[in-house]
Amino acid sequence: QQQVKQSPQSLIVQKGGISIINCAYENTAFDYFPWYQQFPGKGPALLIAIRPDVSEKKEGRFTISFNKSAKQFSLHIMDSQPGDSATYFCAAPSRTSGSRLTFGEGTQLTVNP
Amino acid sequence: NAGVMQNPRHLVRRRGQEARLRCSPMKGHSHVYWYRQLPEEGLKFMVYLQKENIIDESGMPKERFSAEFPKEGPSILRIQQVVRGDSAAYFCASSPGLATETQYFGPGTRLLVL
Repeated sequence: QQQVKQSPQSLIVQKGGISIINCAYENTAFDYFPWYQQFPGKGPALLIAIRPDVSEKKEGRFTISFNKSAKQFSLHIMDSQPGDSATYFCAAPSRTSGSRLTFGEGTQLTVNP
Repeated sequence: NAGVMQNPRHLVRRRGQEARLRCSPMKGHSHVYWYRQLPEEGLKFMVYLQKENIIDESGMPKERFSAEFPKEGPSILRIQQVVRGDSAAYFCASSPGLATETQYFGPGTRLLVL
């Protein structure tokens, strides 16, 4: 069964700093790794996702780095802002089926002004 | 362009009652997923459905829980004889295709069992 280990569990950074969240996965049916952002009382919203043909994807201040050999991927938030304070989840497809995503346990990010 | 809709947003039930959670996927999406989120925890997959078919229910408890996605109307997650441990946020997501496609989440139904 797929497991996704996410770290750290919580993260506090100062405004303007870099937030880094890491995830490690086991085997997957295919390479598709999304990151979701969730604010309190809301549903998760897709933030950014990476597919197998690239090792890095950047969208604005958000960057995913993907290391296939190490089975790891990470989210970098540059110039972190207080509005980025939320819980972030990484996810990976299951080992045997593309029909389900396994989520990490989440990282609660707090960006202090 | 409405997103995934879930209702009710909050549901309070007493132990032993039934809970029915509804999910309307985004327009054009025929794949629906249900997840459960316990307080301070991540999202756990429960079931994946396409119209009139359950494709993968490996994450759903064998007893008391059932799900359907009829040809017409929303997907329904049904919990019979609820217990306190069922208290959680239940999220529905939809996608136009397989998990290679982005899953879009609804706002969730927060179930509280007294």
